[in-house]
Amino acid sequence: AQSVTQLDSHVSVSEGTPVLLRCNYSSSYSPSLFWYVQHPNKGLQLLLKYTSAATLVKGINGFEAEFKKSETSFHLTKPSAHMSDAAEYFCVVSGTGRRALTFGSGTRLQVQP
Amino acid sequence: DTAVSQTPKYLVTQMGNDKSIKCEQNLGHDTMYWYKQDSKKFLKIMFSYNNKELIINETVPNRFSPKSPDKAHLNLHINSLELGDSAVYFCASSQEGYTGELFFGEGSRLTVL
Repeated sequence: AQSVTQLDSHVSVSEGTPVLLRCNYSSSYSPSLFWYVQHPNKGLQLLLKYTSAATLVKGINGFEAEFKKSETSFHLTKPSAHMSDAAEYFCVVSGTGRRALTFGSGTRLQVQP
Repeated sequence: DTAVSQTPKYLVTQMGNDKSIKCEQNLGHDTMYWYKQDSKKFLKIMFSYNNKELIINETVPNRFSPKSPDKAHLNLHINSLELGDSAVYFCASSQEGYTGELFFGEGSRLTVL
């Protein structure tokens, strides 16, 4: 079975400073990993995904994530936060066979002016 | 054109009533899902259909019944609503089965009084 742990339920940064949202995963095989973003009262949107190609994955809106197998981590980063980045972020790990994706509990990113 | 659309967006009803939420996707995807997001933002898979066939049926009360008249539609019917059913229900679709990108609707917020 797979699982995912988002280490921070809430992260607050100032506009223009770096963003780091942490995610650890557990899986008995080589998983696919995703980050999704949910803006208030909206559905989720894919930011980026890792599927065993390059370990550094670039996504939309300047976000990127690095897959580190030795640390079982898939942290999300962005060099400079923008006010529009304020949202809920979900780290997600894939299942096998007919299992669906497993979502983390979410990290709420707050961006201060 | 909205890729995954759900109706209604808001639903307020009394305990014991029966209600339905409809979902349609115009992406030509084979797989559709229902997810439940609770008040703590935790997302949990409820059902998955692939080409009108039920693939995933998580531990969900029998009061919840999905129906897929064709592969572009997946509706959710809930009988005898309970207070604990209050949540945001998201419909999603994907083309690559269980490890591909999910496209989400904007959610249907159900409030049971």
